[in-house]
Amino acid sequence: GAGVSQSPRYKVAKRGQDVALRCDPISGHVSLFWYQQALGQGPEFLTYFQNEAQLDKSGLPSDRFFAERPEGSVSTLKIQRTQQEDSAVYLCASSSKPRGRGNTDYEQYFGPGTRLTVT
Amino acid sequence: KNEVEQSPQNLTAQEGEFITINCSYSVGISALHWLQQHPGGGIVSLFMLSSGKKKHGRLIATINIQEKHSSLHLTASHPRDSAVYICAVRSKTDKLIFGTGTRLQVFP
Repeated sequence: GAGVSQSPRYKVAKRGQDVALRCDPISGHVSLFWYQQALGQGPEFLTYFQNEAQLDKSGLPSDRFFAERPEGSVSTLKIQRTQQEDSAVYLCASSSKPRGRGNTDYEQYFGPGTRLTVT
Repeated sequence: KNEVEQSPQNLTAQEGEFITINCSYSVGISALHWLQQHPGGGIVSLFMLSSGKKKHGRLIATINIQEKHSSLHLTASHPRDSAVYICAVRSKTDKLIFGTGTRLQVFP
C-alpha cells in the first residue's frame, strides 16, 4: 500500500516568500508529525496532530510557521516570509495510534521529506 | 550537551566488516528507535526497543536501560548498507528526540 507522501520534494524560495508543504499520511493514521532536519543534523520536532486537532506545536520555531490538518488526513505546513535559516528538509511522519496514553509501541512512518532552500 | 549522543559521527568500512554504532541518552525514555536514512531524505524504521535485544537479518540492536545506552550492530556489511543511521528516543512526554546520526560508508 502507499506510504507517507510529501510534495513538493524540492522547493526553492526567495527570502520573504511564503511556502506551503504538503503531507499525505498513510490512510487511517490518527497521528501526524512534522519535523525539521537541518543539514548534518537529526530531525527536530515541530508539531503533532491527532486527527484534525493540533495537540502540540511546541517545536514551531516562530509564528511564521503554521500547520493545519483540517479533515484529519492531509496536512499542510506553511512558512510565511521565509528566511535563510528555514532552509532544511521538512519531514512528515504518521502513526496508527495516538501519541501518549501509554502507547509505547507504535511506529512512525516517515515520508521522503521536502527539501526547502531559501535563497 | 545533546540529550541523545551518537558515535561515531562518520564511519567507513570495507565490505564484509562488522560495524557497531553507539547511542547514549540522558533522559528517561519509554522506547528507543534505530532509523536508517538514505540520501534524498527517506527514513525507514529499523528497530523499536525498550529492553534487551532485537535481530533482523544482519542487524542487531541492543539496549541497556540502566546505563542509558544502545548499540546497533551490522554483520557482513555491504555497500548498499551505506546510509545515515539515526538513534531516536521516545521521552516520557512521548516526544521523539533524535541523535545527529552516524554516516556509514561501506566500500567494495
